[in-house]
Amino acid sequence: DAGVTQSPTHLIKTRGQQVTLRCSPKSGHDTVSWYQQALGQGPQFIFQYYEEEERQRGNFPDRFSGHQFPNYSSELNVNALLLGDSALYLCASSFGVISGKGNTIYFGEGSWLTVV
Amino acid sequence: DAKTTQPTSMDCAEGRAANLPCNHSTISGNEYVYWYRQIHSQGPQYIIHGLKNNETNEMASLIITEDRKSSTLILPHATLRDTAVYYCIVREHNAGNMLTFGGGTRLMVKP
Repeated sequence: DAGVTQSPTHLIKTRGQQVTLRCSPKSGHDTVSWYQQALGQGPQFIFQYYEEEERQRGNFPDRFSGHQFPNYSSELNVNALLLGDSALYLCASSFGVISGKGNTIYFGEGSWLTVV
Repeated sequence: DAKTTQPTSMDCAEGRAANLPCNHSTISGNEYVYWYRQIHSQGPQYIIHGLKNNETNEMASLIITEDRKSSTLILPHATLRDTAVYYCIVREHNAGNMLTFGGGTRLMVKP
């Protein structure tokens, strides 16, 4: 049973560039969320996708956008990268609320983004 | 803001039980207590969750006080690999995927 998988594991981008991070949810899960974790801090919720729509959003600017595909996988896009966007980006998945299966959230290992 | 309070750090001797406390005095009736841990440079790992009864699984035990205002995560026989930051989080079980992480407790297991 594959857990949450993310790619790439590490990447370096230049300020002003755009980046796309990818996530495949745990088998059977249909809800995906993204978190940003700066060095030395706890993860911060960015947004959640269910049924290919953004359902919840944290306090992040519009430069952060996402997408969920029919197979439940997801992408996180960040435009106009800033030095402060350097962080570990975590994807998490669960069953949707409607499923009634309880939605314990499981995390992937993350994508380390360095902006120079 | 996180709805939980945890000590910043704790030490534990290898092989001994690690007892990690968490205060959640404003927890509401439909909120569960979840515990995650994060080993350096890895994603958070789910450990256990509970509502009001004590829970046990292969990783840990969760003891929740009768008034539900606090809980304790117990690692019965800590190993060096249990060194991590442990997060206590309260949320509704069937709510969205927004987890609010506080500072967590940095557990250091020492030989």
